[in-house]
Amino acid sequence: DTAVSQTPKYLVTQMGNDKSIKCEQNLGHDTMYWYKQDSKKFLKIMFSYNNKELIINETVPNRFSPKSPDKAHLNLHINSLELGDSAVYFCASSQGLGGQYTFFGPGTRLTVL
Amino acid sequence: AQSVTQPDIHITVSEGASLELRCNYSYGATPYLFWYVQSPGQGLQLLLKYFSGDTLVQGIKGFEAEFKRSQSSFNLRKPSVHWSDAAEYFCAVGPLSGTASKLTFGTGTRLQVTL
Repeated sequence: DTAVSQTPKYLVTQMGNDKSIKCEQNLGHDTMYWYKQDSKKFLKIMFSYNNKELIINETVPNRFSPKSPDKAHLNLHINSLELGDSAVYFCASSQGLGGQYTFFGPGTRLTVL
Repeated sequence: AQSVTQPDIHITVSEGASLELRCNYSYGATPYLFWYVQSPGQGLQLLLKYFSGDTLVQGIKGFEAEFKRSQSSFNLRKPSVHWSDAAEYFCAVGPLSGTASKLTFGTGTRLQVTL
């Protein structure tokens, strides 16, 4: 069973389009995250939701809008895509404090042309 | 603010040789510490973690790491590297408490293994 799953795995789109990435975890965790990995492999947190409530928003453009319909899902919608949005986006989940058992999804490689 | 430094961007070792990847952190107190591995085109897999107690922690795939408070370091080691260990390695820190349970990552070290 996949613990944290994301769809799609690859996403290629034109500048200006709107796209969504979906994430689901079956671990029963109460905290979910979106991380962005840029072309230099640097990983940085974007958002964190705890029990469907936004608790971390790390200076991300408001073109990015996370949505958590329930504790097991955290989707990422991106409006008006820009070239600089090209990256790998990782969903993750954890239970408890300190992110000590953070499980990552396989990533979604977004390419904006 | 917490930060993580991995001073080696790229390391090449021969198969069978020993390995040490360096990690230094900056934090107000002792944080939780992690090492993750990312194989090409793959997601992140947790190798090992340190919360408290014994400063030498064992992980999967034969890896270990030693926490040294005096040096604010958490270096990853493996006595004998296998070709399949070639990957990107990330050190990360997480806060001890609070609801903002995010991980802060270092910039990664790419490990190349020569046969």
